[in-house]
Amino acid sequence: EDKVVQSPLSLVVHEGDTVTLNCSYEVTNFRSLLWYKQEKKAPTFLFMLTSSGIEKKSGRLSSILDKKELSSILNITATQTGDSAIYLCASGGGADGLTFGKGTHLIIQP
Amino acid sequence: DAGITQSPRYKITETGRQVTLMCHQTWSHSYMFWYRQDLGHGLRLIYYSAAADITDKGEVPDGYVVSRSKTENFPLTLESATRSQTSVYFCASRLAGLQETQYFGPGTRLLVL
Repeated sequence: EDKVVQSPLSLVVHEGDTVTLNCSYEVTNFRSLLWYKQEKKAPTFLFMLTSSGIEKKSGRLSSILDKKELSSILNITATQTGDSAIYLCASGGGADGLTFGKGTHLIIQP
Repeated sequence: DAGITQSPRYKITETGRQVTLMCHQTWSHSYMFWYRQDLGHGLRLIYYSAAADITDKGEVPDGYVVSRSKTENFPLTLESATRSQTSVYFCASRLAGLQETQYFGPGTRLLVL
């Protein structure tokens, strides 16, 4: 059974801090690792990492895939209150749906 | 560009009633998915469809039925709603092939009394 585990489950930091969110996966026929941001609505896509694209960056957010350790991290630098959200990690292994972790609930305090 | 829409956005029903949640996408994506999201469980796959008339079970299919007669629509039916089916339901879609990024609809919040 495919499994994705995220840590920590919740995190409270102050504005301006840097945070690192963790994701480990056990997926048969691994193809990709995806990160989503979920505010009080639908998840929105952040990054997809694959064997041919193990590092992605967009503004203050970046993510790295470690295929040896079967894990990924999502970094957010200079955090802002608008970064407060649930961050979801998911892994895809084929034609069926993604396997999601339970998410990290990130709270940025002013 | 409407993207992916769901209706209704909110629904209250009673135990034993049949409920259908609608999902419509305008991208002509081949794949469509239904997830439910519950506290403590995250997002779990209910059913998915690779193309019109092709559907398959996900992790938690019991009590649900799907159909896909047209590429753009993927309705989810709860045949006899139970309280344990109180949840937020998300529909998602993606292109065929190796691109696995899924795009989510706004969700339907369902309460079964």
